[in-house]
Amino acid sequence: DGGITQSPKYLFRKEGQNVTLSCEQNLNHDAMYWYRQDPGQGLRLIYYSQIVNDFQKGDIAEGYSVSREKKESFPLTVTSAQKNPTAFYLCASSMLVGRGQSEQFFGPGTRLTVL
Amino acid sequence: QKEVEQDPGPLSVPEGAIVSLNCTYSNSAFQYFMWYRQYSRKGPELLMYTYSSGNKEDGRFTAQVDKSSKYISLFIRDSQPSDSATYLCAMSPSGGSNYKLTFGKGTLLTVNP
Repeated sequence: DGGITQSPKYLFRKEGQNVTLSCEQNLNHDAMYWYRQDPGQGLRLIYYSQIVNDFQKGDIAEGYSVSREKKESFPLTVTSAQKNPTAFYLCASSMLVGRGQSEQFFGPGTRLTVL
Repeated sequence: QKEVEQDPGPLSVPEGAIVSLNCTYSNSAFQYFMWYRQYSRKGPELLMYTYSSGNKEDGRFTAQVDKSSKYISLFIRDSQPSDSATYLCAMSPSGGSNYKLTFGKGTLLTVNP
């Protein structure tokens, strides 16, 4: 089955720790995205990547880092600099922007809780 | 004024009702319009995707876009309990920035059997 997988489903972090969230897709999509979802708020873009070895900051990149070493993978690290990291994190992918399609497909999400 | 406004609800309807979900927006550059369905603690699922103005139908779902009014709608006919979820509208401009989706905050829908 083609799709997007995220792991783990639930993640607990102590304050001061860095944690890495995994996102893998086998849709052969060029672009990948990370969003954060908080109760009562819409999805907010953290980082996005349109090609391997290149990525751009979204609206709320502070305290986060990413890498894109392979087309299929786009891991997100939540660093200790992120002041309020407890949230639901969603990874998405889409065809390359320049091909005129922008619909994004989402993974199942990772719920991060800081203890 | 927020770029995308969506009534958060909650909206509760009996099974079989016609449901109307709406979003308004302020950015006239938006050209692509999407509706996502999100079940509790799950990732959003793309339901409908439309470009510019007009209607699009897929089974029990109809998406409408009225760019002159900056207003989009999702209609659900013969609603089922399995339609109970949060519905998110999303939109993006054309051109080089069309990667950037702007989301509404979502409307929570409950369909009662």
